[in-house]
Amino acid sequence: SQTIHQWPATLVQPVGSPLSLECTVEGTSNPNLYWYRQAAGRGLQLLFYSVGIGQISSEVPQNLSASRPQDRQFILSSKKLLLSDSGFYLCAWRPPFAGAGELFFGEGSRLTVL
Amino acid sequence: AQTVTQSQPEISVQEAETVTLSCTYDTSESDYYLFWYKQPPSRQMILVIRQEAYKQQNATENRFSVNFQKAAKSFSLKISDSQLGDAAMYFCAYRSSIKGAQKLVFGQGTRLTINP
Repeated sequence: SQTIHQWPATLVQPVGSPLSLECTVEGTSNPNLYWYRQAAGRGLQLLFYSVGIGQISSEVPQNLSASRPQDRQFILSSKKLLLSDSGFYLCAWRPPFAGAGELFFGEGSRLTVL
Repeated sequence: AQTVTQSQPEISVQEAETVTLSCTYDTSESDYYLFWYKQPPSRQMILVIRQEAYKQQNATENRFSVNFQKAAKSFSLKISDSQLGDAAMYFCAYRSSIKGAQKLVFGQGTRLTINP
């Protein structure tokens, strides 16, 4: 069966520090991968998605970047965090040729920037 | 661009009662997918139910069912015999069926509280 893991679960970082959140999927190959951000009391905003190694699409211009160094690994990064980067970050995946195409989500990473 | 609107920020219901969560969406497409996701306090999003727009029959999963009104662009979720474990944030979501479409558009969410 397929599983998705992301870490760290909780992170407190000072403004201006770097960020790295990692997500891995197991039990499948060539998944479509996604990073969403959920601000407090709000819905989910798609940040990045990837349909293959090295292929990254950005939905929202921002202080963040994403990379996919391996087929089942998706990394969210920042060189210098801003206060506005605080939030709950969710990684998700789906099979590349799925019909309905529902997403399967990781456990989430809560980032607090102070 | 497609949008999804959940007009109920919070709903409270007594255990064992039936509750309906509202969702409307805006799209110019004729074929698409709709989803309801549940986010319990543990925060991991879980798919509750899905509906393909080309199917007229409303989807049902045990105590969860939808009322899909395509012309009205409405997609409500009904939870029957509500249980304490149903307490969570519920998100309605839309995805185009166009080949290559990647984006799952979410509503703002509805917080469901179940009172014992």
